[in-house]
Amino acid sequence: DIQMTQSPSVLSASVGDRVTLNCKASQNINKYLNWYQQKLGEAPKLLIYNTNNLQTGIPSRFSGSGSGTDYTLTISSLQPEDVATYFCFQHNSWPTFGAGTKLELK
Amino acid sequence: QVQLKESGPGLVQPSQTLSLTCTVSGFSLTSNSVHWVRQPPGKGLEWVGAIWSGGSTDYNSALKSRLSISRDTSKSQVFLKMNSLQTEDTAIYFCTRSRIFDYWGQGVMVTVSS
Repeated sequence: DIQMTQSPSVLSASVGDRVTLNCKASQNINKYLNWYQQKLGEAPKLLIYNTNNLQTGIPSRFSGSGSGTDYTLTISSLQPEDVATYFCFQHNSWPTFGAGTKLELK
Repeated sequence: QVQLKESGPGLVQPSQTLSLTCTVSGFSLTSNSVHWVRQPPGKGLEWVGAIWSGGSTDYNSALKSRLSISRDTSKSQVFLKMNSLQTEDTAIYFCTRSRIFDYWGQGVMVTVSS
């Protein structure tokens, strides 16, 4: 199985900050990488699919990039409602998730 | 609009069988896959398995021997059955649509305990 490693595990940032979350796959996943946001007590929400495609209804401050084994989710200007845990997910082969990055307000 | 809703027992005894139902609306099971994903309390997400639009299934290799996923297209329902439950199967179970998991149910908490 492909292992997905997210970093950092916890990130503290201030409102308005540019925030970068990282995800590294154990092998090439050919850009089949999605990002999900999960708030406490809720189901995950799809933000970005196939590396850089913004899901309908998601604010444009979210963007994704990457290739091969290394991928990034960027929030251009952090908002209070972005406090959540973010998971990366690969569907190049048997689906696997990263362990998540918990995003907090400083 | 697209909706998914999980249902099933909240409490299952160890060694028993878990049966969950995912009832969908707003899309066809013959045009979309449905996947099951679970999340132990306070932990990350684990893909459990899928039923594809054509009716074939795939399972997490770690769960394959205990797992069965099926569907009733006339009722827009997908079923998960997992036997020989243990405490480590305690989790929120979600159903989600398509290979990119674009829509999710709210999840159902399943506790394995005597």
